[in-house]
Amino acid sequence: DTGVSQDPRHKITKRGQNVTFRCDPISEHNRLYWYRQTLGQGPEFLTYFQNEAQLEKSRLLSDRFSAERPKGSFSTLEIQRTEQGDSAMYLCASSFNRGHVEKLFFGSGTQLSVL
Amino acid sequence: EDQVTQSPEALRPQEGESSSLNCSYTVSGLRGLFWYRQDPGKGPEFLFTLYSAGEEKEKERLKATLTKKESFLHITAPKPEDSATYLCAVQAQGGKLIFGQGTELSVKP
Repeated sequence: DTGVSQDPRHKITKRGQNVTFRCDPISEHNRLYWYRQTLGQGPEFLTYFQNEAQLEKSRLLSDRFSAERPKGSFSTLEIQRTEQGDSAMYLCASSFNRGHVEKLFFGSGTQLSVL
Repeated sequence: EDQVTQSPEALRPQEGESSSLNCSYTVSGLRGLFWYRQDPGKGPEFLFTLYSAGEEKEKERLKATLTKKESFLHITAPKPEDSATYLCAVQAQGGKLIFGQGTELSVKP
């Protein structure tokens, strides 16, 4: 168990560019979550997958955001035409859903700065 | 709408000065209430899950309690290494966690 891994740790981009983040969950975890966190705030839910199926998307997730989890393993989060308001820490978490309470394990996040 | 509010926003006790953090919540169908610790530049680290009113859990200097409307995280005789942001979250149906804004704890040596 190596924990949830996110890449890159930091990303600086110019407004209007596209960026993609990767998350590798704990092996055999069937659920994968994406959250966004700005300074001084708690994490905000963006979307989650059970295996390869995307089950819920937050209203925060505009059309410029897309997430995938091919084959139910790693996941990518892409932001197209980045805006300065997209600057935040993007957190990934994974869990094993047994039908009741599930504990989410978080990665260290990708810090995005849009100039 | 499910909601979590934490207070205070920041706490700066002296080393050894016990403190209490509050988490008030409204949720339909609570499956669990979670406490996480977050250090700067890192992801949240799991501390506790509480499932029902009246439940208590302890870990070293930390003790979490739960009622029907709120949870408390008590820190007994804190040390500087306890300095971090403490996040409370509720889990309703579906599995996702809804977080509060966090309490930043800075323990002065």
